[in-house]
Amino acid sequence: DAKTTQPPSMDCAEGRAANLPCNHSTISGNEYVYWYRQIHSQGPQYIIHGLKNNETNEMASLIITEDRKSSTLILPHATLRDTAVYYCIVRAPSGTYKYIFGTGTRLKVLA
Amino acid sequence: DTAVSQTPKYLVTQMGNDKSIKCEQNLGHDTMYWYKQDSKKFLKIMFSYNNKELIINETVPNRFSPKSPDKAHLNLHINSLELGDSAVYFCASSLKRNTEAFFGQGTRLTVV
Repeated sequence: DAKTTQPPSMDCAEGRAANLPCNHSTISGNEYVYWYRQIHSQGPQYIIHGLKNNETNEMASLIITEDRKSSTLILPHATLRDTAVYYCIVRAPSGTYKYIFGTGTRLKVLA
Repeated sequence: DTAVSQTPKYLVTQMGNDKSIKCEQNLGHDTMYWYKQDSKKFLKIMFSYNNKELIINETVPNRFSPKSPDKAHLNLHINSLELGDSAVYFCASSLKRNTEAFFGQGTRLTVV
C-alpha cells in the first residue's frame, strides 16, 4: 500500500470549509484513497473513499487530482464536532486485510 | 444498536495477570480486526480474521491470542500482562477485506 503524507495540524473557523490535503505520490493505478477520522477517545470513523473520480456523501467531499498523486478532503461547513484527527489511507482492493494508519492531521475547529 | 461493541471499556489490572477483551459485531461482516493505539496515538494492526480464520498476525507477541468462535465475535486474550501492553485496543469489522471498516469504541487497558 502506498505511503501518504499529511500536515500534522490545521485550524478551521466554525462554519467555514475545512480542506485537508493528502499527498500520495506513489499511488498505484488500482489503489483507493480512504479517509477516516478519530474524534477524541473514540474509535476511528469511516468518512469517504474514492479511486479517481470526485466523491461526495453526507459527511464530506473527496477531490482527487487527475494524476492521483494527491487528494483533498473537504468538510463543507465545519462544526466544533468535526475537531478530530483525520487519516488519509491508500489501499488496494485486493490488498492485505488491514488499514495502515499514519499520523494524520489534527483538525481543530475554532468557534 | 451498537454496530461493533467491545467489553469492557476500561480494564485496570496488575502485571502478570491474564485478561480478555470481547468484541461483537452485528453487521453481518466477514472480516474482523484488532488494532492497538499506544500512548503516542499511533494505530497499529494486530490481527485480521476472515470468516473465523486468522489472516494477519502482525508480529504480535504470542501472549496475545485472538479467538473467533463465530463470524460475529473476535475476542482477544492476553497472558502475563506487561506494563507495555497498556494501550487502547480497538476492534473493527468490514463486510469484505476491501470495504470500509467500522470500529468499536475501544478498550483502555492499564497495566499497573
